Amino acid sequence: SQQGEEDPQALSIQEGENATMNCSYKTSINNLQWYRQNSGRGLVHLILIRSNEREKHSGRLRVTLDTSKKSSSLLITASRAADTASYFCAPYRSNDYKLSFGAGTTVTVRA
Amino acid sequence: EAGVVQSPRYKIIEKKQPVAFWCNPISGHNTLYWYRQNLGQGPELLIRYENEEAVDDSQLPKDRFSAERLKGVDSTLKIQPAELGDSAVYLCASTLGRGVYEQYFGPGTRLTVT
Repeated sequence: SQQGEEDPQALSIQEGENATMNCSYKTSINNLQWYRQNSGRGLVHLILIRSNEREKHSGRLRVTLDTSKKSSSLLITASRAADTASYFCAPYRSNDYKLSFGAGTTVTVRA
Repeated sequence: EAGVVQSPRYKIIEKKQPVAFWCNPISGHNTLYWYRQNLGQGPELLIRYENEEAVDDSQLPKDRFSAERLKGVDSTLKIQPAELGDSAVYLCASTLGRGVYEQYFGPGTRLTVT
């Protein structure tokens, strides 16, 4: 399975601090995506990094990808209470057009 | 632009009863997905449609689950009969086409089977 596996399972930080979560996967991918899910809501796409990219930024988000280690990381800088959510990485393999989600990292930002 | 619409948002049924979920994807999106998300887990793909054709239903439990996407727009996912283990959130997602990677998710239907 190419399912992404996030680490840690849960993370609690103070507002203003940075949050880092990691993702590992097993097979070759076309790209890797990160999604956010607020409590009781659907998933929202955050950022996509292609297999030939090593780092990508979007606002307060920074994603890295190391295809040799089959791993990715998501950094949220200067966290806010609104960042409290579950974050999922989803490797994407273009030959079957599937996203494979892990169990996610639950981030709690304390005021 | 309206997002992916799902209804109902919540459903409580007794086991062995039938249940149906409805999804209206973003206008113009040809690819539609149904996922199931168990508590504390990520979404798992049940079925993928390209227009009205189910191109990947390998993960759909076909003994009790069925789906359709008439005219390649709205879609319905049905469970008959429901079992206790079917309690989960059922998510619908859509994207422009199979070569477009970002998926747009609806709010989901939370199913509780008692």
